Amino acid sequence: DAKTTQPPSMDCAEGRAANLPCNHSTISGNEYVYWYRQIHSQGPQYIIHGLKNNETNEMASLIITEDRKSSTLILPHATLRDTAVYYCIVRVLGNQFYFGTGTSLTVIP
Amino acid sequence: GAGVSQSPSNKVTEKGKDVELRCDPISGHTALYWYRQSLGQGLEFLIYFQGNSAPDKSGLPSDRFSAERTGGSVSTLTIQRTQQEDSAVYLCASSRGLASNFRETQYFGPGTRLLVL
Repeated sequence: DAKTTQPPSMDCAEGRAANLPCNHSTISGNEYVYWYRQIHSQGPQYIIHGLKNNETNEMASLIITEDRKSSTLILPHATLRDTAVYYCIVRVLGNQFYFGTGTSLTVIP
Repeated sequence: GAGVSQSPSNKVTEKGKDVELRCDPISGHTALYWYRQSLGQGLEFLIYFQGNSAPDKSGLPSDRFSAERTGGSVSTLTIQRTQQEDSAVYLCASSRGLASNFRETQYFGPGTRLLVL
């Protein structure tokens, strides 16, 4: 399965954009990039996904490099409620999602 | 409609006892997944159902773990003769179960927190 590499932790000032990077250099052509987040004591929450083109929804934007070897999740105006662990997932094998250990984002007041 | 629900939300049991964890997927979702998350760890895949069948049981850690799904809806994860290392949050997710698997978004329940004493 494709491996993802994320920084273990990041801080972001409240109201500023949070940019969470993910490296996925072994991604194959038909594998999507998914982002989930997990707020303490809750189940993972879907954020966004994409294949080649950049995507935007009400929660976030996803920027995927042209070679698809990395991506960045952007939370445009981080709030305290965005403090969570963010998972980047690029491999779906038999419908499994392989979660790594993610990036723990702390939004600072 | 309602999201994925799981019960119980918390379960404390003694080592050696059997436990059953329940998952109600989103209505109409044919695919159902079980994961577990140990303290401070990422999610570990356990089993996947498409309808009532389980084409992928590769993640079940031992033969003490089993799962079933009847009627294509509710699923039960059973752990026999629980051990302390079974303590974790057990998460269930569901998805629409369409053929284009690479596009499936999974929706997670709140989890069951199992503590084996």
